[in-house]
Amino acid sequence: RKEVEQDPGPFNVPEGATVAFNCTYSNSASQSFFWYRQDCRKEPKLLMSVYSSGNEDGRFTAQLNRASQYISLLIRDSKLSDSATYLCVVLANSGYALNFGKGTSLLVTP
Amino acid sequence: SQTIHQWPATLVQPVGSPLSLECTVEGTSNPNLYWYRQAAGRGLQLLFYSVGIGQISSEVPQNLSASRPQDRQFILSSKKLLLSDSGFYLCAWSKYRGYEQYFGPGTRLTVT
Repeated sequence: RKEVEQDPGPFNVPEGATVAFNCTYSNSASQSFFWYRQDCRKEPKLLMSVYSSGNEDGRFTAQLNRASQYISLLIRDSKLSDSATYLCVVLANSGYALNFGKGTSLLVTP
Repeated sequence: SQTIHQWPATLVQPVGSPLSLECTVEGTSNPNLYWYRQAAGRGLQLLFYSVGIGQISSEVPQNLSASRPQDRQFILSSKKLLLSDSGFYLCAWSKYRGYEQYFGPGTRLTVT
């Protein structure tokens, strides 16, 4: 089983829509979780960390379910500029390596 | 604020040639530094990390090596490139172990 698994998509949604991405991880001992965003041929950029109680940053909401080993990202009121690949990331037990999912592609259309 | 630089941005090298990629970080001291590779159609994979000058940990056995000659400088090298070394090489830094990592703009390497 892969360390981090994501639905690759693509998700095609109209502007203003709400879209949710899901991710599962295999290591029940994992302690830190993140969502990164990667534009085509660019470096990943940190979108948000994911906390146990869930957290929100503007239009973005992240949730963690440790019992199910499941992480989600909700994007409300999608903008054209949200089009990118969203990477689910879990910190390895070493505390150094980030284990990346392969990403979920989002295309927001006018 | 902190910034991270990588160069070159793109590189085309023949099989068997040497490689040197450089990464520098500004605006912070004693960062943890990382080298990742993103091969076509695959996720990012950690290659090396460093917690201080001269301290290198390897995550994956391979044809590459890393060095940290200065606090904010991290170098990725190879003596002889293989076709399988092609990919997008990304340097990252974090302030502390377990904290968020921030990536540089990357070097796109094609081995021909």
